[in-house]
Amino acid sequence: NAGVTQTPKFQVLKTGQSMTLQCAQDMNHEYMSWYRQDPGMGLRLIHYSVGAGITDQGEVPNGYNVSRSTTEDFPLRLLSAAPSQTSVYFCASSYEVGGLGGYTFGSGTRLTVV
Amino acid sequence: GIQVEQSPPDLILQEGANSTLRCNFSDSVNNLQWFHQNPWGQLINLFYIPSGTKQNGRLSATTVATERYSLLYISSSQTTDSGVYFCASTLTGGGNKLTFGTGTQLKVEL
Repeated sequence: NAGVTQTPKFQVLKTGQSMTLQCAQDMNHEYMSWYRQDPGMGLRLIHYSVGAGITDQGEVPNGYNVSRSTTEDFPLRLLSAAPSQTSVYFCASSYEVGGLGGYTFGSGTRLTVV
Repeated sequence: GIQVEQSPPDLILQEGANSTLRCNFSDSVNNLQWFHQNPWGQLINLFYIPSGTKQNGRLSATTVATERYSLLYISSSQTTDSGVYFCASTLTGGGNKLTFGTGTQLKVEL
């Protein structure tokens, strides 16, 4: 099925551990982005990419790294997990940078840092 | 960045009722979109509506870009409409960063 696939769906980390959240899309979308969703705060942009090899920071980039080696994949790396990074993470893609045609979201990764 | 305010923050409806959700922006925006997050957390794009009016079944949306607001209308609500509705947009000239409002939590009861 075409769409955005995120793995894992759930993850528990200890403070200081590192991990990578995976995101893949098969729609040949140029634009991909990562959001975190916290209660009462909506979705906040972490990092985004307008194409392979190009990434940029969003609203809350600290503690996260991204890379975009292919059009299909956009992994999010937590370098040293902290309890403040407990959140639900969503990956999204769209055909054009401005979202023309709409965004497609993955099903999310629920991360708990203890 | 832009500020996105949504109202009301919470809404409870009886099945069959109509409602209007509002989204206000602090600055000139484009690429305005509406999303529905269902109770299982899945985000679905409802409308891409930088200006004008669009309709899709029982849902319709209107954006008045010059006055910096957008409205989402839900008619004949059903229990499956429950969830959180978000509006989001990019800042005019600021291309790539889609900023979300804090959402309207809707519950439709029988």
